Amino acid sequence: DSGVTQTPKHLITATGQRVTLRCSPRSGDLSVYWYQQSLDQGLQFLIQYYNGEERAKGNILERFSAQQFPDLHSELNLSSLELGDSALYFCASSPHLAGFTDTQYFGPGTRLTVL
Amino acid sequence: SQKIEQNSEALNIQEGKTATLTCNYTNYSPAYLQWYRQDPGRGPVFLLLIRENEKEKRKERLKVTFDTTLKQSLFHITASQPADSATYLCALDISGGSYIPTFGRGTSLIVHP
Repeated sequence: DSGVTQTPKHLITATGQRVTLRCSPRSGDLSVYWYQQSLDQGLQFLIQYYNGEERAKGNILERFSAQQFPDLHSELNLSSLELGDSALYFCASSPHLAGFTDTQYFGPGTRLTVL
Repeated sequence: SQKIEQNSEALNIQEGKTATLTCNYTNYSPAYLQWYRQDPGRGPVFLLLIRENEKEKRKERLKVTFDTTLKQSLFHITASQPADSATYLCALDISGGSYIPTFGRGTSLIVHP
């Protein structure tokens, strides 16, 4: 158990809908990262937050947005969903800002299925 | 464009042998390289980080090498066990210091008893 929690574990929805994925980092970790993993794209970095502020962005679609709250939990919002958004979404946390030299602890993921 | 290549074919080995996985990259000179283990349906688990000025890093039965001239990292598991069966991902920082890892597609390791 990494100490990172994600809810829900599974999510099934229809095209055009909007969903919110939630992540609680390990106690004391200030950085939160979101990743998307699909069979054809592998593990892709989406966005990083550090202590409530956005710090880095990857190939995140404009239909996707995220935020980190004062209690450090984070939410990833996916809207106007398309079939291609079906994937595993992982949250990871690390203690500091310099994530690459920090150990990143990954959550169990949310499996999103768009029908 | 930057590219990270890991063997897409599964590596099958016999228990007790040494497994060697390869990570090749092009068009960048990363300062760090990480290796992760991922089991099916679960999040990746960090194993080792190696810096560009380190040629080799060890942790228990794991050994990682980093050859910046060849642009290659090798990941070794000695005395492999069936419990080592998983997908192993390498990750590089190709963002020029923003410390955001870019992952390879991973190689599946299957250790047969």
